[in-house]
Amino acid sequence: SQQGEEDPQALSIQEGENATMNCSYKTSINNLQWYRQNSGRGLVHLILIRSNEREKHSGRLRVTLDTSKKSSSLLITASRAADTASYFCATDANTNAGKSTFGDGTTLTVKP
Amino acid sequence: EAQVTQNPRYLITVTGKKLTVTCSQNMNHEYMSWYRQDPGLGLRQIYYSMNVEVTDKGDVPEGYKVSRKEKRNFPLILESPSPNQTSLYFCASSVRNWGGEKLFFGSGTQLSVL
Repeated sequence: SQQGEEDPQALSIQEGENATMNCSYKTSINNLQWYRQNSGRGLVHLILIRSNEREKHSGRLRVTLDTSKKSSSLLITASRAADTASYFCATDANTNAGKSTFGDGTTLTVKP
Repeated sequence: EAQVTQNPRYLITVTGKKLTVTCSQNMNHEYMSWYRQDPGLGLRQIYYSMNVEVTDKGDVPEGYKVSRKEKRNFPLILESPSPNQTSLYFCASSVRNWGGEKLFFGSGTQLSVL
């Protein structure tokens, strides 16, 4: 199964609300990244958090990492309709630098 | 403009007819990778390349070939496509080992094998 698994699979909220997505993984990692994908388009990098970091912020994004639970969360605050997209976490295995594993994604819908 | 360019954007072919999807990046990146995306399965890595002449298998390499003769190009070859290779394909690159660097993605190639 996938190294990264997102939860929930789908999330629907009103504009202005916060959206939280979770990612769990199975093996030890060096880094975890979050990406965004607008319908059928290429993924766009949002934020990277290293295994020795616990929290990171970028604008309205907040990412946490708990290596003891092998999980990460992405929080989008004050959501906008333009945030509607799918969000994926991606992990690198610290035993194989080149391999990348993406989760199945969370589809976020923000209603105006 | 820094970008990863994939061609074609859409491709319809028949079983067994060899095809190549091209991928080119203009950022002098060392690392390149191919993924396929299927509904409900996220992105799965097919092959990756850490540098010129260095390629390795990802999680789903069966039925695919790649080559990395030049730094900028990383074509994906399907020698004998089958219907189960119908998918949305993405090429991506990063400066070096991708884990500590962000991946830049192409716009995708929607492949249908009849």
